[in-house]
Amino acid sequence: DIQMTQSPASLSASLEEIVTITCQASQDIGNWLAWYQQKPGKSPQLLIYDATSLADGVPSRFSGSRSGTQYSLKISRLQVEDIGSYYCQQAHSNPWTFGGGTKLELK
Amino acid sequence: EVQLVETGGGLVQPGRSLKLSCVASGFTFNNYWMSWTRQAPGKGLEWVASITNSGGSTYYPDSVKGRFTISRDNAKNTLYLQMNSLRSEDTATYYCTRDYYDGTPYFDYWGQGVMVTVSS
Repeated sequence: DIQMTQSPASLSASLEEIVTITCQASQDIGNWLAWYQQKPGKSPQLLIYDATSLADGVPSRFSGSRSGTQYSLKISRLQVEDIGSYYCQQAHSNPWTFGGGTKLELK
Repeated sequence: EVQLVETGGGLVQPGRSLKLSCVASGFTFNNYWMSWTRQAPGKGLEWVASITNSGGSTYYPDSVKGRFTISRDNAKNTLYLQMNSLRSEDTATYYCTRDYYDGTPYFDYWGQGVMVTVSS
């Protein structure tokens, strides 16, 4: 199985700050990576797919990038509505696996 | 508007069975692969099962293979998850998810989730 190692596990940031979350795949997954946001008490929502493509309705302050087998989610200017947990997921090989999650809080 | 509404959760004893349902609306159900993903209390996400748009093929991780069965009724716009031989580690919120339009296992819509508790 492909392991997705996400970091950090938790993060405290201020409004308008730039936030970056990373995910390391245990093997090559190409661009087969998604990012999800889960607000407290809610279901997850797709943010990014194919490593860099923004899902419908997602604000442009979110972006995804890739360097080899390391993937990053960047929030350019943190807003209060961005608070929650974030998960990466590989879609390269069955079983589809998620990172352990990053809990983002306001400082 | 895409909607996925799960039902069927509850408290069940270890070794027993439970069947979840998910009624879909707001899109052409039989055009999309569908999946179930779960989240144990306070934990991360785990993919549980997927089914092709026709229902002809199904996919599972080893953790549930042989115990869980995903199925669908395209005439009723309904997805199912039959869970047998339940274990305490199956305790989780189960989400019905729609796969991306081309069948890629990105989950672009999620239901509200249904809680399954396996305990004696």
